Amino acid sequence: GQNIDQPTEMTATEGAIVQINCTYQTSGFNGLFWYQQHAGEAPTFLSYNVLDGLEEKGRFSSFLSRSKGYSYLLLKELQMKDSASYLCAVRDYNAGNNRKLIWGLGTSLAVNP
Amino acid sequence: DGGITQSPKYLFRKEGQNVTLSCEQNLNHDAMYWYRQDPGQGLRLIYYSQIVNDFQKGDIAEGYSVSREKKESFPLTVTSAQKNPTAFYLCASSGAGTKDETQYFGPGTRLLVL
Repeated sequence: GQNIDQPTEMTATEGAIVQINCTYQTSGFNGLFWYQQHAGEAPTFLSYNVLDGLEEKGRFSSFLSRSKGYSYLLLKELQMKDSASYLCAVRDYNAGNNRKLIWGLGTSLAVNP
Repeated sequence: DGGITQSPKYLFRKEGQNVTLSCEQNLNHDAMYWYRQDPGQGLRLIYYSQIVNDFQKGDIAEGYSVSREKKESFPLTVTSAQKNPTAFYLCASSGAGTKDETQYFGPGTRLLVL
């Protein structure tokens, strides 16, 4: 079957570093996405990984290990505005349509001063 | 500016009424999607369309209908057959043939059925 697991909630301090993990089980992995969603708003795209390794974009980095079915989103120099839900989504080409994504429930991150 | 628009932002309807949610994109994307988001649940796919005049049911299509008469537009109708329509509705689009076919979201419509 298809499944994505993320921690439900995390708390961190302003200026610190936080790592949000995502594990997945799919039969035909074809890319992993991270989105940020502030309360009451739509998700916004953060990063995409399809090959193993680390992708860096400013304060945000995303890592993928396909053999372990594992990804993480790393947020550095945390700011109060980073308080949001972080969604992990996987494209599975065996999911009936290559454009459909399987979504995790999201990790709610609270950044405290 | 290119983007996806959804209107209205908030929508109130009486139980038993059909309601249509608008979604327009000027990104020249071929694929468009409708999701529903409820508290404590992940995004659930209602319908998606890969090209004009074609669409497929997602995971929770019952009680909903769509049309794709133009590339830019993918309206969603929430019918009276939908048992629990109160939710946050999100429209997204993605470009065919791009490396990652990332889905980009509109601002969403919050539907409240009284």
